Amino acid sequence: AQSVSQHNHHVILSEAASLELGCNYSYGGTVNLFWYVQYPGQHLQLLLKYFSGDPLVKGIKGFEAEFIKSKFSFNLRKPSVQWSDTAEYFCAVNINNDMRFGAGTRLTVKP
Amino acid sequence: DAEITQSPRHKITETGRQVTLACHQTWNHNNMFWYRQDLGHGLRLIHYSYGVQDTNKGEVSDGYSVSRSNTEDLPLTLESAASSQTSVYFCASSENSGANVLTFGAGSRLTVL
Repeated sequence: AQSVSQHNHHVILSEAASLELGCNYSYGGTVNLFWYVQYPGQHLQLLLKYFSGDPLVKGIKGFEAEFIKSKFSFNLRKPSVQWSDTAEYFCAVNINNDMRFGAGTRLTVKP
Repeated sequence: DAEITQSPRHKITETGRQVTLACHQTWNHNNMFWYRQDLGHGLRLIHYSYGVQDTNKGEVSDGYSVSRSNTEDLPLTLESAASSQTSVYFCASSENSGANVLTFGAGSRLTVL
């Protein structure tokens, strides 16, 4: 069965630190990849997506993600986090219209 | 502005009672989805619909049902609520495209005592 793994359950960083959240999936065919963010008390919002083309995609608020097909990975990065980035981050993979989510990574940014 | 509205936002019910969570979207999206969010599991798909009169079971459909009588609404019914169904429920919708970029509602927090 296809699955999506987010290896970091809770990440705590200080402001200005760099961020990388891991996401791996288990499926060998064509996929569409997403990162969603859920700020405290809010609903999920799309952060960025990859369908095809340049494997380095840029999203809102300075986030980017890189699709590495050989590693089945789509890691999320941000060079310098802010306190307002405190949220839960979900990786999602769309395989033949079946959208699967990872368990989520809670990011806490200390001011 | 288009939106997805879920109601109620919070509900407490007792084991064995029937509960219906409403989802209404004004995006005119064909696709609608129900997910539950639990700690350590992320979001898991309960049911989904690709159009009027179309419903499909997701990963965790046992104990839940949906109906799609129009484009805007996909109510989720728990026929006989169980404590294991205590969760936060999210409705989402997407355009009729293969990419399925989801737009989410604000969520409904259900507690089954």
